[in-house]
Amino acid sequence: AQSVTQLDSQVPVFEEAPVELRCNYSSSVSVYLFWYVQYPNQGLQLLLKYLSGSTLVKSINGFEAEFNKSQTSFHLRKPSVHISDTAEYFCAAYPGGSGNTGKLIFGQGTTLQVKP
Amino acid sequence: KAGVTQTPRYLIKTRGQQVTLSCSPISGHRSVSWYQQTPGQGLQFLFEYFSETQRNKGNFPGRFSGRQFSNSRSEMNVSTLELGDSALYLCASSLDGRALYGYTFGSGTRLTVV
Repeated sequence: AQSVTQLDSQVPVFEEAPVELRCNYSSSVSVYLFWYVQYPNQGLQLLLKYLSGSTLVKSINGFEAEFNKSQTSFHLRKPSVHISDTAEYFCAAYPGGSGNTGKLIFGQGTTLQVKP
Repeated sequence: KAGVTQTPRYLIKTRGQQVTLSCSPISGHRSVSWYQQTPGQGLQFLFEYFSETQRNKGNFPGRFSGRQFSNSRSEMNVSTLELGDSALYLCASSLDGRALYGYTFGSGTRLTVV
């Protein structure tokens, strides 16, 4: 079955500490992978994506994620978090194939709580 | 360029009523997808429209329907509302529905059924 699993529902961390949000995907989905961030009462904003090429992808605000095909993982990391990073983060995969246009499979989300 | 616009932002409806939500994609984008977000089920795919045709559909009952107009704007309709339909409904706009070109989400419509 096609699935995306986010291993932690909540991750509390102190400001300026490093953080890792974990995501695993089933091998039956395509290797197009995404991380989205959602702030309260807002929609989803694309953080970064992996389509092909370099397995390490980076966002403009300091996040990075590494595609690991052998471990079917796409973990999100940031070396030093800020209070403003407090939000819910979603990992998503595109199933691929002609019958799956427009469809992303999402994980259940991880709430990142940055404490002062 | 303007982003994805969803209207209205908030709605309160009574059980048994029907509701129509609207999504205007980014100019030039021809694919619109709809998602339902709830605390219990997370983000679930409803359907995708491309060039006025439904190309893909998720596992939702027939009470959920949609359409797309020639200008790519899309509407989704939920008939005979149930309490469980309370959710944030998000639409996503893309060039052609393939992940290669990415998906841009709107801010959503918060539907509350009482």
